[in-house]
Amino acid sequence: DSGVTQTPKHLITATGQRVTLRCSPRSGDLSVYWYQQSLDQGLQFLIQYYNGEERAKGNILERFSAQQFPDLHSELNLSSLELGDSALYFCASSEAGGGSTDTQYFGPGTRLTVL
Amino acid sequence: ILNVEQSPQSLHVQEGDSTNFTCSFPSSNFYALHWYRWETAKSPEALFVMTLNGDEKKKGRISATLNTKEGYSYLYIKGSQPEDSATYLCAFNSGNTPLVFGKGTRLSVIA
Repeated sequence: DSGVTQTPKHLITATGQRVTLRCSPRSGDLSVYWYQQSLDQGLQFLIQYYNGEERAKGNILERFSAQQFPDLHSELNLSSLELGDSALYFCASSEAGGGSTDTQYFGPGTRLTVL
Repeated sequence: ILNVEQSPQSLHVQEGDSTNFTCSFPSSNFYALHWYRWETAKSPEALFVMTLNGDEKKKGRISATLNTKEGYSYLYIKGSQPEDSATYLCAFNSGNTPLVFGKGTRLSVIA
């Protein structure tokens, strides 16, 4: 158990809908990262927050947004969902701001299925 | 666009065999190379962080080497066991940029 929690574990929804994925980092970790794992793709970095502020952005779609709250938990909002958004979404956390040697601790993931 | 390649894509070995696989990454602007182990139905778990050319890290029967000049890292598993079955991911970091992950090598160890 990494200490990172994600809810829900599974989510099934329809195209055009909006969903929110939630992540609680390990105690003491200030950074939260969101990744998308699609079929045949590696882990694709979406976005990082550090202590409430956006730190780095990857290939995150405009339909997707995230935030980190004062208690350091984070939410990833996915809207106008398309079939291609079906994927495993991971959250990870690290102690510091994402320096090159920071180890990231991954949550169990949320499996999103868009029908 | 940074590219991290892992080979082979998948590997089947017999219990007791030793095995190795490769992670290739850009040799310029190297800061760190991470290895993760990802068991089915679990989350990726950190194995090693490597930063220096020639670095070698070891954890039990698993070890890794790093060549930053030519841009590759090898992961070795000695005497593979069924519990070693997992996908092994490497991730490259070029400074204050997000980790770039390879697609992984899926290892199956047959008892």
